[in-house]
Amino acid sequence: EAQVTQNPRYLITVTGKKLTVTCSQNMNHEYMSWYRQDPGLGLRQIYYSMNVEVTDKGDVPEGYKVSRKEKRNFPLILESPSPNQTSLYFCASSWQATDTQYFGPGTRLTVL
Amino acid sequence: AQSVTQLDSQVPVFEEAPVELRCNYSSSVSVYLFWYVQYPNQGLQLLLKYLSGSTLVESINGFEAEFNKSQTSFHLRKPSVHISDTAEYFCAVSLNNDYKLSFGAGTTVTVRA
Repeated sequence: EAQVTQNPRYLITVTGKKLTVTCSQNMNHEYMSWYRQDPGLGLRQIYYSMNVEVTDKGDVPEGYKVSRKEKRNFPLILESPSPNQTSLYFCASSWQATDTQYFGPGTRLTVL
Repeated sequence: AQSVTQLDSQVPVFEEAPVELRCNYSSSVSVYLFWYVQYPNQGLQLLLKYLSGSTLVESINGFEAEFNKSQTSFHLRKPSVHISDTAEYFCAVSLNNDYKLSFGAGTTVTVRA
């Protein structure tokens, strides 16, 4: 089954404790992206990747890091989480940026 | 960067009534336009998209959207909604020479019997 998986689905952590949210797709897509969803703000793009080892900033990259060492994986790293990073995070993949994006189920992160 | 404005944050509607969700974008260059739907507690799914060609695009479940270049709009319509159309709808825009995708703030559609 073609899908995008994210782990964990739910995470409660404390300020400053490094965390990683994993994202994996099995469709051989070149383009992958991370978004955060906040009430009244819709989805905002954090980082995207056009292919392996090629990443770039979206609209809200501050406080986040990403890497793309393999085509299927695109982890999101929060080196020192802060409460304003409490949000619902979605990973997505597609052949190109203009193609249909396939979204993961979301990761709900709470930073205390 | 392009911006996307969804003019209505909440749209209550009765079953079998028509609905229109408005989306405007700001860009002077060619764009690609999308509508995504998010059902409760789920991720987003593509509803329909405009890349080029006919300005009227349709989805398999009765929605349609029309690209209007002069008004920089991409409004979504359905002539008769069902209870199952209750969801949040997002308009998104990508420039044809860019890798970024910008989303609007979303419109919550609540269909009542």
